[in-house]
Amino acid sequence: DQQVKQNSPSLSVQEGRISILNCDYTNSMFDYFLWYKKYPAEGPTFLISISSIKDKNEDGRFTVFLNKSAKHLSLHIVPSQPGDSAVYFCAASPRYSGAGSYQLTFGKGTKLSVIP
Amino acid sequence: KAGVTQTPRYLIKTRGQQVTLSCSPISGHRSVSWYQQTPGQGLQFLFEYFSETQRNKGNFPGRFSGRQFSNSRSEMNVSTLELGDSALYLCASSLAGHRYGNTIYFGEGSWLTVV
Repeated sequence: DQQVKQNSPSLSVQEGRISILNCDYTNSMFDYFLWYKKYPAEGPTFLISISSIKDKNEDGRFTVFLNKSAKHLSLHIVPSQPGDSAVYFCAASPRYSGAGSYQLTFGKGTKLSVIP
Repeated sequence: KAGVTQTPRYLIKTRGQQVTLSCSPISGHRSVSWYQQTPGQGLQFLFEYFSETQRNKGNFPGRFSGRQFSNSRSEMNVSTLELGDSALYLCASSLAGHRYGNTIYFGEGSWLTVV
């Protein structure tokens, strides 16, 4: 059972336009969310995160929106650049764990292609 | 400062063999976790080590094991390899582990092909 879902395997956007990547989750215990970007043959790189006490977090061209009631988050990239072409992973974790740590649960990723 | 270093980057093994992968975390980071990435399943958590102790484990068979040394370096081992173990194995480090608000930094991964 997939607890973090990225329903769009791929997305193509024109350079300069907005890219919107979506992520849905089912586990109501999740309340910290991260986005990672991954180029081929490289490890994922942390992009931006958001905790459940916020509904928006912004860092330069990247903004993450969280809708807790809908269990949905999205990553907006404005303006999109060709160098943004990569696979984007959404990840989630709960606040508390009886084991003292918790694992990140990842979505399967969305491949973004920014067309010059 | 140096990032997360994984060795070897690429390797090919035969079914039934075993393999050991190594990970050196970012200096000062005490938590090391391992993930498996396959095209069909995405990134799946294997286990996390903190101060030489396994703190958390994902849903993988006992053929997958790991350990962490006193210098925080970690190894993972897969015994009796199966074709389905072919994947990118990613190591990640962080200061205090998978705790709320901590950022996890990934290495470039070890590509394992089982033939």
